[in-house]
Amino acid sequence: GQQLNQSPQSMFIQEGEDVSMNCTSSSIFNTWLWYKQDPGEGPVLLIALYKAGELTSNGRLTAQFGITRKDSFLNISASIPSDVGIYFCAGHATGAGSYQLTFGKGTKLSVIP
Amino acid sequence: KAGVTQTPRYLIKTRGQQVTLSCSPISGHRSVSWYQQTPGQGLQFLFEYFSETQRNKGNFPGRFSGRQFSNSRSEMNVSTLELGDSALYLCASSLDQKNIQYFGAGTRLSVL
Repeated sequence: GQQLNQSPQSMFIQEGEDVSMNCTSSSIFNTWLWYKQDPGEGPVLLIALYKAGELTSNGRLTAQFGITRKDSFLNISASIPSDVGIYFCAGHATGAGSYQLTFGKGTKLSVIP
Repeated sequence: KAGVTQTPRYLIKTRGQQVTLSCSPISGHRSVSWYQQTPGQGLQFLFEYFSETQRNKGNFPGRFSGRQFSNSRSEMNVSTLELGDSALYLCASSLDQKNIQYFGAGTRLSVL
């Protein structure tokens, strides 16, 4: 089945710094989604991307659907303590089995005040 | 609009027992998916139901089963619990398979 490689696995950053994380796939994806999960809670959708090259913002968050359709990026600007959590990429691949949402293993973000 | 509701939030069971978890999707959503989340394995897909039919199934043993009712509410059952079944079980609902999935807060299962 499809696999998503998400990196980095974890990050420690200073409050106010910008953050970048990415996700790559061996298959072409039709949809890319970015979720954030706080401890003890379920993932919450941050941004959804539907077209190659699409760049979408949600406040300080910006995500892009890669031109090759095999990758996606999430940037967080001017990080704050409440950005702490695990960020997951997910997507629907093309072809057989495309109905199943595939998840990356997550990027754990820690923000040092 | 109410979000996805999962009950109970926490469960403690012993090996060999069975457990049933419940999920109420967002009103109007007909697709319900279940995931197992553990620190080492991330989110692992269990199965997906739509209109009371299981449409997709992940790579889990037959001890894991589920069903969906006519009101789209879903339950998953794990029989003969093993220590390795300790995890956060997440339910997600969507309008249909290819739409965005919205997650509940999960049920934390501990098997002793």
